[in-house]
Amino acid sequence: DTEVTQTPKHLVMGMTNKKSLKCEQHMGHRAMYWYKQKAKKPPELMFVYSYEKLSINESVPSRFSPECPNSSLLNLHLHALQPEDSALYLCASSHPSGTSYNEQFFGPGTRLTVL
Amino acid sequence: AQTVTQSQPEMSVQEAETVTLSCTYDTSESDYYLFWYKQPPSRQMILVIRQEAYKQQNATENRFSVNFQKAAKSFSLKISDSQLGDAAMYFCAYSGQGAQKLVFGQGTRLTINP
Repeated sequence: DTEVTQTPKHLVMGMTNKKSLKCEQHMGHRAMYWYKQKAKKPPELMFVYSYEKLSINESVPSRFSPECPNSSLLNLHLHALQPEDSALYLCASSHPSGTSYNEQFFGPGTRLTVL
Repeated sequence: AQTVTQSQPEMSVQEAETVTLSCTYDTSESDYYLFWYKQPPSRQMILVIRQEAYKQQNATENRFSVNFQKAAKSFSLKISDSQLGDAAMYFCAYSGQGAQKLVFGQGTRLTINP
């Protein structure tokens, strides 16, 4: 299995809602990533988990809360978002840094709209 | 800090022709990896090709090949026999040895004209 899956594909939420994005991979990767991507722009790194521990937080606002329950799953909990948070949220996975093959495999993304 | 520059926001090519996308980068590291990713409209980002900096030989994957010039810090992507399915945003990316981050360029939108 060489896929990274993400659910849901689309999400519309109000500014007072709480929702979660889910990401799953079964490639045995021990590094997982959340990115935010605006239209016609490159992905912006938000969080990195390595061996299920948060290793990088790119100064993301606390209304985004990541969670890595196990080596295959990555969640992003959303609360009190702003309209400017509307974007495509991408999950990726890779072998951990320091290994020979560190390319990242991306999921299809969740298209988030905040009203 | 490392930077990646793609100087061509948009490119177009006739079907079956060859096109080259440019990428330059800046780094003080000697060991690193370079990647080209393809993101078709409303579709998943996929890896096209990767290059290890310590390898002098240019990477090739079917119709896709790179011209890696380490001294010039240049990493261009050549697409031969362009097909309609090659239409996408192409991102050049850099990863340092042992790094967890990918540094992306701003992307080049490639259009294939039938």
